[in-house]
Amino acid sequence: QVQLQESGPGLVKPSETLSLTCTVSGVSLSNYYWSWIRQPAGKGLEWIGRIYTSGSTNYNPSFKSRVTMSVDTSKNQFSLKLSSVTAADTAVYYCARGSLTMDYWGQGTLVTVSS
Amino acid sequence: EIVLTQSPDFQSVTPKEKVTITCRASQSIGSSLHWYQQKPDQSPNLLIKYASQSISGVPSRFSGSGSGTDFTLTINSLEAEDAATYYCHQSSSLPFTFGGGTKVEIK
Repeated sequence: QVQLQESGPGLVKPSETLSLTCTVSGVSLSNYYWSWIRQPAGKGLEWIGRIYTSGSTNYNPSFKSRVTMSVDTSKNQFSLKLSSVTAADTAVYYCARGSLTMDYWGQGTLVTVSS
Repeated sequence: EIVLTQSPDFQSVTPKEKVTITCRASQSIGSSLHWYQQKPDQSPNLLIKYASQSISGVPSRFSGSGSGTDFTLTINSLEAEDAATYYCHQSSSLPFTFGGGTKVEIK
């Protein structure tokens, strides 16, 4: 049974870096793309980017150079870092398997940007 | 960036009615269009992939059609458990994008 679980601080100060980890169980990270998606409260979904198990990444240009993704196959985890956050980055952040189609999602984690 | 425009934004429907949601892409995306269902306080769930391909475990009342720029999600004989927001998503070109969502309410 494939499961994904996001973890990380629920509160981040403005201008600091948001860091989240997605722990995957039930399947190896190998040979899949892994994605991050976010959803501000009451709004739609926004694709942040994806990472392959090789470490190859594609990011949404709307995040400019603020996004970094990484993968740790030994821990079966992948991570998201978003720097210089503002209140506009407050959202539920989801990790998901795949990128063309995303067939397994984490439950999501709320990250609030506030001082 | 490919923009996906869904309509309607909101639909209030009686059980057993048929629901049709459309998604229009700002440029041709072939069949690289997928549909997700998101129930309140839950993560999205893949319903249909590549415009019309069914997903194991998804009820057969959900179907998709279309290609190019115009796509449709159909729910035949709506059930109470189908109350949710539905999103289309394109994977034709980076960055991948989502439609704005269609909220389906049960009358």
